[in-house]
Parts: sequence; C-alpha cells; structure tokens
Amino acid sequence: DAGVIQSPRHEVTEMGQEVTLRCKPISGHDYLFWYRQTMMRGLELLIYFNNNVPIDDSGMPEDRFSAKMPNASFSTLKIQPSEPRDSAVYFCASGPGRGWTEAFFGQGTRLTVV
Amino acid sequence: AQSVTQLGSHVSVSEGALVLLRCNYSSSVPPYLFWYVQYPNQGLQLLLKYTSAATLVKGINGFEAEFKKSETSFHLTKPSAHMSDAAEYFCAVTPGSARQLTFGSGTQLTVLP
Repeated sequence: DAGVIQSPRHEVTEMGQEVTLRCKPISGHDYLFWYRQTMMRGLELLIYFNNNVPIDDSGMPEDRFSAKMPNASFSTLKIQPSEPRDSAVYFCASGPGRGWTEAFFGQGTRLTVV
Repeated sequence: AQSVTQLGSHVSVSEGALVLLRCNYSSSVPPYLFWYVQYPNQGLQLLLKYTSAATLVKGINGFEAEFKKSETSFHLTKPSAHMSDAAEYFCAVTPGSARQLTFGSGTQLTVLP
C-alpha cells in the first residue's frame, strides 16, 4: 500500500489567492482527517470525515477554510482567500473503521502564503 | 475530554546514552496512548501504541514505553540513542471509541556525537 498521498508537497501562493490541498487516503479506510501543524499551535485537528461525510469541523478556523470528500479515495482542503497566517504544514491522515486506534499520516503539504 | 502534556520541548542526549521523553495524560476514560515520530519534512510515523493490553509496550527502532495509570504517564525510552533518532516526538491520546487524537506539543530530540 502506498500510504496516504498528499499533493502538492509544497505550495507557495500570494495572499488572496485560492489554495487547494489534496489527499488520497489508504484504500479501505473509512476515516479521513485534516490536521494543521504550526510552531505556535502544534498539531490541530481541522476536520474529519467518516464514510465521506464530515463529522466534526469544529477545528476549521474560519469560513475561508472548506473541506470536501466527494468519494472514498479523495479529499480536498480549500482556503479562499488565503492569508499569510495560514502558512503551515497541512497533514491528511486516514484510519480504518470500527475498532481502529491510530491514524496513518501523509507526508504533508507545506503551505507558504506571501 | 483528554489532554497530553509533554515535559521538555527540547531534549539533548549523547549518542549511546539513554533516551527518556516524558508524557503525562489526562483522560476521563481509560485511554489509548501513542507515540509518533516526525523526521524533518516528513509526516508522522507511529512508533508504538498502548491499547489496554500489556503496560510495557515495545515499538520500532528499539523504543518502548510504559503505561503507568497511577502516575498518568506514558514515557518513551530507548536504552542507547543513535544519531538517526534525532527527530520530533509526539505523544497522543484518544478515548477508546473516539475517532480523534489529541496530540502533545512535541519534543525535539537532538543526539550529540
């Protein structure tokens, strides 16, 4: 299994532009998570999905952030418009269904908003 | 609600010395506990996990951790540090049936030659 795949690995964009981060979870996993990692706040859970349905988006910082999961093998995290304070590493993780305990992480997307 | 506290944001050890990274947790239910490692520019990789079986858990790369309920601790140890162990280490907790992990703030381990 190739693991969780995220793209792009690095993204540099100008303030005000739309940014879309992509994630392909491990095949067969029912749960998908988006995390953000910054020096100031550490790892924060933004949102998670179960069977493509958003379950908890309480960690999404603002309305500028949105996430979708149109099918079991693909999810996006969109920031529109982007701001410099959104600069961070964004991780996608997935987990199997009932009875699982740990999450499996992708390599992350390093976003820089200038 | 649960939380994790990692004591020491930076730990330095000499190559060959004992590694001890501290983690204390708070949980209203019996917890599942994890240690993850993050190498530079990489994602998080699971080192080991405690899921209410044996209290001494062995993981990859020679690491182990002991669950101590009375101390609400889950410290990570390795008898002899290697240069390749230099990374950031995260402790995490989740309730038994939840689908969310709560992470500690991380400990950066430096291994000195």
